[in-house]
Amino acid sequence: QSALTQPPSASGSPGQSVTISCTGTSSDVGAYNYVSWYQQHPGKAPKLMIYEVSQRPSGVPDRFSGSKSGNTASLTVSGLQAEDEADYYCTSYAGSNSYVFGTGTKVTVL
Amino acid sequence: EVQLVESGGDLVQPGGSLRLSCAASGFTFSDYEMHWVRQAPGKGLEWVSYISASGSARVYADSVGGRFTISRDNAKNSLQLQMNSLRAEDAAVYYCARASTRRFDCWGQGTLVTVSS
Repeated sequence: QSALTQPPSASGSPGQSVTISCTGTSSDVGAYNYVSWYQQHPGKAPKLMIYEVSQRPSGVPDRFSGSKSGNTASLTVSGLQAEDEADYYCTSYAGSNSYVFGTGTKVTVL
Repeated sequence: EVQLVESGGDLVQPGGSLRLSCAASGFTFSDYEMHWVRQAPGKGLEWVSYISASGSARVYADSVGGRFTISRDNAKNSLQLQMNSLRAEDAAVYYCARASTRRFDCWGQGTLVTVSS
């Protein structure tokens, strides 16, 4: 159960876009369309932002979008806003009711 | 309002035991699978354990298997994590999370476990 690989950091100016990658294997990301993304502000609990690769829960702005190709999933935040500055984690279902999280990416709004 | 509230975090010596609880409200607890996820200080999230809605199925991360036991009481809307043989690397904020179709859609605020002599 090795962690999914994410870049440690990403940044962009307000209004710009940032894309975060999440690389797994053919046993997790590549095997299932059950990749989800979580936003975590300092000292707070994670919040679901994307599920099933590209679905947005109600209340999540459409500036957040997700995709997947092979063993790599991606989260794109368009039209960056100050409140988007946070840590972002991907997770994938890995079979047999187990899950694996990504290493996390700190997004900075310049 | 859907709510999960963890409790039981404490300072414990290496080799010791601790029992965490998670009180659920605002939804039909017995309809949902539940998970524990932890986050070591300054580190990323790590999935720890799963329990089915009925409690009949349980799965653990390799890092805690054989030492941790997840359980639930659907009559009391409560989730537990019994942690034995605690190690320094088990120190973390422990979150309980509700799962719906392979996503964690509701999280508690977390409870801090410190393992130190």
